[in-house]
Amino acid sequence: AQTVTQSQPEMSVQEAETVTLSCTYDTSESDYYLFWYKQPPSRQMILVIRQEAYKQQNATENRFSVNFQKAAKSFSLKISDSQLGDAAMYFCAFDTNAGKSTFGDGTTLTVKP
Amino acid sequence: GAVVSQHPSRVICKSGTSVKIECRSLDFQATTMFWYRQFPKQSLMLMATSNEGSKATYEQGVEKDKFLINHASLTLSTLTVTSAHPEDSSFYICSAPQGPADTQYFGPGTRLTVL
Repeated sequence: AQTVTQSQPEMSVQEAETVTLSCTYDTSESDYYLFWYKQPPSRQMILVIRQEAYKQQNATENRFSVNFQKAAKSFSLKISDSQLGDAAMYFCAFDTNAGKSTFGDGTTLTVKP
Repeated sequence: GAVVSQHPSRVICKSGTSVKIECRSLDFQATTMFWYRQFPKQSLMLMATSNEGSKATYEQGVEKDKFLINHASLTLSTLTVTSAHPEDSSFYICSAPQGPADTQYFGPGTRLTVL
């Protein structure tokens, strides 16, 4: 069974600064996908970024980038130039089976003005 | 991008009644959909996988007779909470995989309150 661990229940960042959210996972699979989702106060889950395990290049989406370390089974999310709208709960997720994802416990990010 | 809707967004019902929640993929077809339950400040707990044209697959510990799932078409899955009790009060979210890496697209969720 796969497990996803987010060791930071809460994180805080100053507006315009950079913050990194941690995620580690455990699996015996070699082919899988990793995701970061954002859940703002509205509770609508939104995809932030995804990474295919077979790709060595780290995924990037505008201010969001990941540091994917396959051997270490680590998948951290870096948010640059943090904005007030980035405040949300962030979930790391792992998927090997057509959308059936395993989620971490989440990290609540606070952005201070 | 892919859009998933849920209806209703909020429902309040009396204990013992049944409540139906609909999940629709608006601009794509979904042979599979997923139903989750989420308590405040907690992660998503997968309840079941809804399969178009066949029975749903329930996760361990989820009562299939309590949470009835019907995947009537390629764009609609329904979750019926039967004989609801206060402990069933929660936030229910559906999702459907689409596109690269079978990325999940989520509905906006349904807040169920059982009095």
